[in-house]
Amino acid sequence: SQTIHQWPATLVQPVGSPLSLECTVEGTSNPNLYWYRQAAGRGLQLLFYSVGIGQISSEVPQNLSASRPQDRQFILSSKKLLLSDSGFYLCAWSTAPGPSNTGELFFGEGSRLTVL
Amino acid sequence: GQQLNQSPQSMFIQEGEDVSMNCTSSSIFNTWLWYKQDPGEGPVLLIALYKAGELTSNGRLTAQFGITRKDSFLNISASIPSDVGIYFCAGQLEGDSGGGADGLTFGKGTHLIIQP
Repeated sequence: SQTIHQWPATLVQPVGSPLSLECTVEGTSNPNLYWYRQAAGRGLQLLFYSVGIGQISSEVPQNLSASRPQDRQFILSSKKLLLSDSGFYLCAWSTAPGPSNTGELFFGEGSRLTVL
Repeated sequence: GQQLNQSPQSMFIQEGEDVSMNCTSSSIFNTWLWYKQDPGEGPVLLIALYKAGELTSNGRLTAQFGITRKDSFLNISASIPSDVGIYFCAGQLEGDSGGGADGLTFGKGTHLIIQP
């Protein structure tokens, strides 16, 4: 069965410090991978998605970047955090486009980032 | 991007009551999904709908894919305290069949609060 895991679960960082959130998926190959941000417990904002290794699409201009160094690994980064980067970050995966794609997204446990 | 109008935004109900929430759009969807998010966790898929008019149940939950393919509702019967959380509708737009790489369109969520 497929599993998705992201870490750390909780992070408190000072303004201007770097960020690295990591997400890994097991039990599937060539998944689409996503990073979402959720502010104040409401609404999911798509930040990045990836259809393959090294392929990153950004949905909104921001202080963050994403990388996909391996097929089932997705990393969210920042060189210098801002206060506005605080939020709940969710990694997700889906099957690659094709006949078997059902449109379903499967989410990780989430990472709570507080920037002080 | 496309908008999904999810209502109500919040619900305060008594334990044992039935709950109804819905999502509407001006666009046509191929897939409707309903997720539940517990506090501090990632959303979990509750029900997936793939055909117009489809009515699907999962325990006390029932969801329907609207005939026009522009709406969906979720009902919860005889609510219990563990039903508390945020419920999200999500849809895969027509034309994204086979899996749009940029994922699903999400509603802004319905926050369900149950008073004992």
